[in-house]
Amino acid sequence: SQELEQSPQSLIVQEGKNLTINCTSSKTLYGLYWYKQKYGEGLIFLMMLQKGGEEKSHEKITAKLDEKKQQSSLHITASQPSHAGIYLCGAANTDKLIFGTGTRLQVFP
Amino acid sequence: GAVVSQHPSWVICKSGTSVKIECRSLDFQATTMFWYRQFPKQSLMLMATSNEGSKATYEQGVEKDKFLINHASLTLSTLTVTSAHPEDSSFYICSASGPGPGAKQYFGPGTRLTVT
Repeated sequence: SQELEQSPQSLIVQEGKNLTINCTSSKTLYGLYWYKQKYGEGLIFLMMLQKGGEEKSHEKITAKLDEKKQQSSLHITASQPSHAGIYLCGAANTDKLIFGTGTRLQVFP
Repeated sequence: GAVVSQHPSWVICKSGTSVKIECRSLDFQATTMFWYRQFPKQSLMLMATSNEGSKATYEQGVEKDKFLINHASLTLSTLTVTSAHPEDSSFYICSASGPGPGAKQYFGPGTRLTVT
C-alpha cells in the first residue's frame, strides 16, 4: 500500500519567514494534492500536481513535484499568521486519496 | 467550487447509542463519496468508499457492521456509528466526487463526535 511521509511534523516560524514542507511517497505519484486544514474544520484545496517537474503557485504558496514523481514540496514565502494550520499532502490512488502524516504550522508575530 | 455539507457539525451521545452523520453534495451529483476519520493531531484515515446505489467498500480494519454507510442518492451519503463507544470519538469528514477516474474530491466541514 502507498504511504506518504511528511516532514517536518510540526513547524513554528516567525511571521515573514519562508518555510518548506516535504511529502515523500513510497510509490510513484500519479496525482499529488495539497490541502490546508484549520483544526476542527474541513480541508481547503490548495493545489494539484501531476507531471514530473511540475510547479504551481498561488499567492505566496508554491508546490513542486520532483521529476521522479515520488516527492513533493510546499513552500510558503513571507509567512503570515493566516498560513497557520495543518498541511496535508494526498496521493491519488485509483479513485481514493491517501493522505500524508500532516504538518502542523504555527506562525507567530 | 463545489460545496459539500455535513450534518451535524458536532454531536455528543451516550455510550451504546447510535449516531447518524449526513454528507450532502449541494450543487453537483456525487457518484462517489468517501468517509474519513481524524484523531487529534493526526492525519485523515480513509474509512470507506461508497458509490451511489451500491454497497460501500471498507478499508482494512474498519468494521462495516459498526460503521454503516448508505449512499442512497447522488447527493446524500450517511454514516451511522452503531453502539458508539468513547473510542469512537473522533472527527469524521466526508468528501464527494463526480464521475470519472481522477475526479476531484470536495470535502465537507467535518463532524465532531464525542461519546460519553
